[in-house]
Amino acid sequence: DTEVTQTPKHLVMGMTNKKSLKCEQHMGHRAMYWYKQKAKKPPELMFVYSYEKLSINESVPSRFSPECPNSSLLNLHLHALQPEDSALYLCASSQGLTGGTEAFFGQGTRLTVV
Amino acid sequence: QQPVQSPQAVILREGEDAVINCSSSKALYSVHWYRQKHGEAPVFLMILLKGGEQKGHDKISASFNEKKQQSSLYLTASQLSYSGTYFCGTEIRPEYGNKLVFGAGTILRVKS
Repeated sequence: DTEVTQTPKHLVMGMTNKKSLKCEQHMGHRAMYWYKQKAKKPPELMFVYSYEKLSINESVPSRFSPECPNSSLLNLHLHALQPEDSALYLCASSQGLTGGTEAFFGQGTRLTVV
Repeated sequence: QQPVQSPQAVILREGEDAVINCSSSKALYSVHWYRQKHGEAPVFLMILLKGGEQKGHDKISASFNEKKQQSSLYLTASQLSYSGTYFCGTEIRPEYGNKLVFGAGTILRVKS
């Protein structure tokens, strides 16, 4: 199984809502990532988890709250988002903890904030 | 520290060749290449770890010049399926963890 599964595929939420994005992988990878991708832009790194611990936070606003409950799951909790947060949110995982290994991407969650 | 890709876009006819370049202002630990089609996830093409390393996969190959902090992706005898946006991703040092930063992308369109 070389898949990273993300749910939901699409999400529309109001600015006062709380929602969560989910990501799952069963490849035994110990590094997992959240990326944000706006239209016609590259994926932009948000968070990196290594061995279920947050290792990199790219100065992401606190309205985005990541969580890694176990080695296979990664969540992104959303609260009080702004319309400019609308984007494709990509989850990825990789085997290596110090870089230099392939990152597998999920299909993404397309988020619209209204 | 975003790597710089060139060209921004290229249009080819089937069978033609293309080169996409990726350069960094910082010393690189690794360079990754991905292709993303519209509405889909980025798909891994290859990773280069050593200076001067070259890799190939079918008609797509890449080189990494560590000294020049540059990588190039070579697409030969292009096919319609090669169309998409190509991103290079760079890692500066392994001790920074898996901090893969992507360039702005190169849009490749192959016409029949």
